Amino acid sequence: EAGVAQSPRYKIIEKRQSVAFWCNPISGHATLYWYQQILGQGPKLLIQFQNNGVVDDSQLPKDRFSAERLKGVDSTLKIQPAKLEDSAVYLCASSQTTGGNYGYTFGSGTRLTVV
Amino acid sequence: DQQVKQNSPSLSVQEGRISILNCDYTNSMFDYFLWYKKYPAEGPTFLISISSIKDKNEDGRFTVFLNKSAKHLSLHIVPSQPGDSAVYFCAASTYSGYALNFGKGTSLLVTP
Repeated sequence: EAGVAQSPRYKIIEKRQSVAFWCNPISGHATLYWYQQILGQGPKLLIQFQNNGVVDDSQLPKDRFSAERLKGVDSTLKIQPAKLEDSAVYLCASSQTTGGNYGYTFGSGTRLTVV
Repeated sequence: DQQVKQNSPSLSVQEGRISILNCDYTNSMFDYFLWYKKYPAEGPTFLISISSIKDKNEDGRFTVFLNKSAKHLSLHIVPSQPGDSAVYFCAASTYSGYALNFGKGTSLLVTP
């Protein structure tokens, strides 16, 4: 089966600019996650969708980050305006069931550098 | 607040020997534990998991041990191969929860 697709792979922007990332999960996976991985850290959950509804966005910095999953398939994550500390790899993952019990499938990520 | 801790940033092991990666957690509500493997420029890939009702789970060369009283788990790789060189992340979740809490990772290097 095809994996989780993410684009772009790399992005360099100046602080205060905006940026968007795109994710296409594995076909049939109802649950989609966005994680942020800062260099030297483990991935941290930003937001979780079940179909097109938000399940958990408690760690999403809502003053600058937004995410949507229209039609319950593809998802976009936006940052506006970006800060230097947003430099990280943004990972999208999907799973057939809620929770982590069966292991997520991660995409390759988008590496964001804010200068 | 780091609820999952991997205190060894790196580990070097000779090919054919055993690799032991350790993980500690603080949240007693965690019921499910997973190990992920990550190569450079790729996303983490699921390796093996264990639920809190077990103390051991095996999958080929990989075995995960869980000590609930000590809030400690470990991943054993026997025998280690050069292709096992990667960053290994420990993660935990509650059955009723949704988020995976990850440790900072341990970089394993298997030398020929």
